[in-house]
Amino acid sequence: TAGITQAPTSQILAAGRSMTLRCTQDMRHNAMYWYRQDLGLGLRLIHYSNTAGTTGKGEVPDGYSVSRANTDDFPLTLASAVPSQTSVYFCASSDARDVDEQFFGPGTRLTVL
Amino acid sequence: GQNIDQPTEMTATEGAIVQINCTYQTSGFNGLFWYQQHAGEAPTFLSYNVLDGLEEKGRFSSFLSRSKGYSYLLLKELQMKDSASYLCAVRDGDYKLSFGAGTTVTVRA
Repeated sequence: TAGITQAPTSQILAAGRSMTLRCTQDMRHNAMYWYRQDLGLGLRLIHYSNTAGTTGKGEVPDGYSVSRANTDDFPLTLASAVPSQTSVYFCASSDARDVDEQFFGPGTRLTVL
Repeated sequence: GQNIDQPTEMTATEGAIVQINCTYQTSGFNGLFWYQQHAGEAPTFLSYNVLDGLEEKGRFSSFLSRSKGYSYLLLKELQMKDSASYLCAVRDGDYKLSFGAGTTVTVRA
């Protein structure tokens, strides 16, 4: 079982360019999340989706957009990247039942120059 | 917003016990999670508390006091592979997780 996959693993991006980070899960989880992780700040929620067709804003949504066309995929788009978006991005999913722990993908390391 | 505090770093000897404390202030409470994250890897789920008391899972135990806004993760019989960051996360009234900055535990031989 693959669980959650993310692509690319890492990327260097020029400021002002657009970029889509991909996230796919095969666990049929309803809820999916995007976090960024920065040294000393911990994981911060960017956007989330409780079910296919719906999305919501997290703690740090500015400069990012998401879509949830189906259960499996939850891409994150940076329309015009800025250096402050340099970070490690983690996608996660949960089944919204029982404990509802989140399962994390391997992460994408993004550097904006 | 949420306010979650945990120590930045802790060091312990192989075979010893380490206790990582976490204090929190949140708007609504729907459970507290502990995750383990090795360097360069994704966080992985360790434990969950929603009621007061101790939850034990092998060498790892987690405690919660909702009235005090306090939790701890206890790691017993430390092994070198336990060197990692440990993340405290609180699920709020909107069922969203807020994470502390993490505690880096270094296990020395």
